[in-house]
Amino acid sequence: GQNIDQPTEMTATEGAIVQINCTYQTSGFNGLFWYQQHAGEAPTFLSYNVLDGLEEKGRFSSFLSRSKGYSYLLLKELQMKDSASYLCASMDSNYQLIWGAGTKLIIKP
Amino acid sequence: SAVISQKPSRDICQRGTSLTIQCQVDSQVTMMFWYRQQPGQSLTLIATANQGSEATYESGFVIDKFPISRPNLTFSTLTVSNMSPEDSSIYLCSDVSLSEEAFFGQGTRLTVV
Repeated sequence: GQNIDQPTEMTATEGAIVQINCTYQTSGFNGLFWYQQHAGEAPTFLSYNVLDGLEEKGRFSSFLSRSKGYSYLLLKELQMKDSASYLCASMDSNYQLIWGAGTKLIIKP
Repeated sequence: SAVISQKPSRDICQRGTSLTIQCQVDSQVTMMFWYRQQPGQSLTLIATANQGSEATYESGFVIDKFPISRPNLTFSTLTVSNMSPEDSSIYLCSDVSLSEEAFFGQGTRLTVV
């Protein structure tokens, strides 16, 4: 079956670093996406990985290991506005996104 | 990068009525996807809309309840029919056009009273 696992909730301190992990199992693989979603809003695209390795984009980085079916999103220099849900999604061979349930990130001062 | 315009952004509807949500993409895309996100939950795919053929529905969703139109490669509609309070949700359309980014419309926040 197809499955995406990520932690339900994480808490971190403003200014710190947090890593949100995601493991996936999908029928075929066409990439791994990370989205940020603030309450009541549509998800916004953060990153896309299709090759192994780390992709850095400002304060956010995303890592992929295809052999392990594993990805993480790394957020540095956390700001209060980073409090949101972070959704991991794997694209299968039919170009459909299989979504995780999301990780609610709580930032404390 | 594709831009998706979705409307309405929100609506409050009476039970038993129907609401049609529209998505317009600024470029041609092969597939469009309709999602529902109920409060506190992740996205659930309702159906995949391909131009020129009937939409493909996921388990638990049927055409009579969620009819979809896809008249061309830049436009799609989703109708939520005979609404009940359980249909209160955010509805999102998405484009996966073989580019690396999946884009979403702004979402429609539906409240059924």
